[in-house]
Amino acid sequence: DGGITQSPKYLFRKEGQNVTLSCEQNLNHDAMYWYRQDPGQGLRLIYYSQIVNDFQKGDIAEGYSVSREKKESFPLTVTSAQKNPTAFYLCASKSLASYNEQFFGPGTRLTVL
Amino acid sequence: AQKITQTQPGMFVQEKEAVTLDCTYDTSDQSYGLFWYKQPSSGEMIFLIYQGSYDEQNATEGRYSLNFQKARKSANLVISASQLGDSAMYFCAMREGSELTSYGKLTFGQGTILTVHP
Repeated sequence: DGGITQSPKYLFRKEGQNVTLSCEQNLNHDAMYWYRQDPGQGLRLIYYSQIVNDFQKGDIAEGYSVSREKKESFPLTVTSAQKNPTAFYLCASKSLASYNEQFFGPGTRLTVL
Repeated sequence: AQKITQTQPGMFVQEKEAVTLDCTYDTSDQSYGLFWYKQPSSGEMIFLIYQGSYDEQNATEGRYSLNFQKARKSANLVISASQLGDSAMYFCAMREGSELTSYGKLTFGQGTILTVHP
């Protein structure tokens, strides 16, 4: 089945540790996106990528880093520089062919203790 | 200024009745797209409906329709014949600019929690 996978669903880390969230898609989509969602809030864009080895900062990139070494993979690292990392993280992808909607993964809920 | 505004934090509707979820947007681009997504308590985002700025007809997808009023910059979602499974958070989102210039980026509103009562 085609889709987007994010693992793990729940992640716990100690303060000061870097953590990497995985995002894999087998939809052959060019573009991939990372969003952060805080309780009761909308999604905010962290990073996005149109093609392999290229990515751009979104609205709240500080304290995060990404890589796009393969078309199907777009991991997000939450660094110790991120002041308030506890949140729900959603990965999305889309074809750039037209106005197609973004397809979302199931999300990872990160809790920093 | 907020790009996408959803003024209803929560809405209640009786099963089988229709409900309208409000969304207003702010952009100076002539080309843009408006999306509605549903987020159940499990957290995944489910695409519901899309309206392009140049589309003359209001978009419809099954029980979902989008009441697009361009001059008022509103894109309200209408759900007809509500079902218990419609209880979820609903987000309005906008792609500013064309697909090419925007890189497909979306800006989301704060969401509206819809509760359907039996």
